[in-house]
Amino acid sequence: GESVGLHLPTLSVQEGDNSIINCAYSNSASDYFIWYKQESGKGPQFIIDIRSNMDKRQGQRVTVLLNKTVKHLSLQIAATQPGDSAVYFCAESTMNYGGSQGNLIFGKGTKLSVKP
Amino acid sequence: GAGVSQSPSNKVTEKGKDVELRCDPISGHTALYWYRQSLGQGLEFLIYFQGNSAPDKSGLPSDRFSAERTGGSVSTLTIQRTQQEDSAVYLCASRAGGRDTEAFFGQGTRLTVV
Repeated sequence: GESVGLHLPTLSVQEGDNSIINCAYSNSASDYFIWYKQESGKGPQFIIDIRSNMDKRQGQRVTVLLNKTVKHLSLQIAATQPGDSAVYFCAESTMNYGGSQGNLIFGKGTKLSVKP
Repeated sequence: GAGVSQSPSNKVTEKGKDVELRCDPISGHTALYWYRQSLGQGLEFLIYFQGNSAPDKSGLPSDRFSAERTGGSVSTLTIQRTQQEDSAVYLCASRAGGRDTEAFFGQGTRLTVV
């Protein structure tokens, strides 16, 4: 189940189950979204991205869903494995006037714990 | 290597000293970001550079924090008169120009103020 502690919320799942990690973003003008995975002692690593003109995108074992109406993102991981144990962050971004990359703001993160 | 490189990987400093943290972005990336991550916490935005534009400094927590990016490449984050609450991992990321590209992160610098 999911719990919120003093630090990051934690989601515990059994190996082989599907995981769903949720994220609420803040800026209705954000038009590009990214999910990152961060393992202990490492920098965040890209998992999958989605543009605001899409509501779903699939990768290998991962799917991202975007609901702009309620400013919500979710990351679905199929057949979760012990190697998926990490902290997952969503990030939102906008384009600057003129087309350059804008700021990249991260959500609070969720710790995924996979039980063998 | 071709990734984002940060140095040092670890830094222990005495309270009140100044520290400089370095970030070498991926060659050709126009955007560079600095974040701070306290133990068990999320990524707190500090500052971002985009090409030759003025940097967005809105995330810097106090005037003890500053950053430069020389020649559109290497960046240095400076913390003056360090305090114990500055202890954290400082992460740097860079992004290519153009639309909708992901940011690539370095391994971070773990700063400990004693």
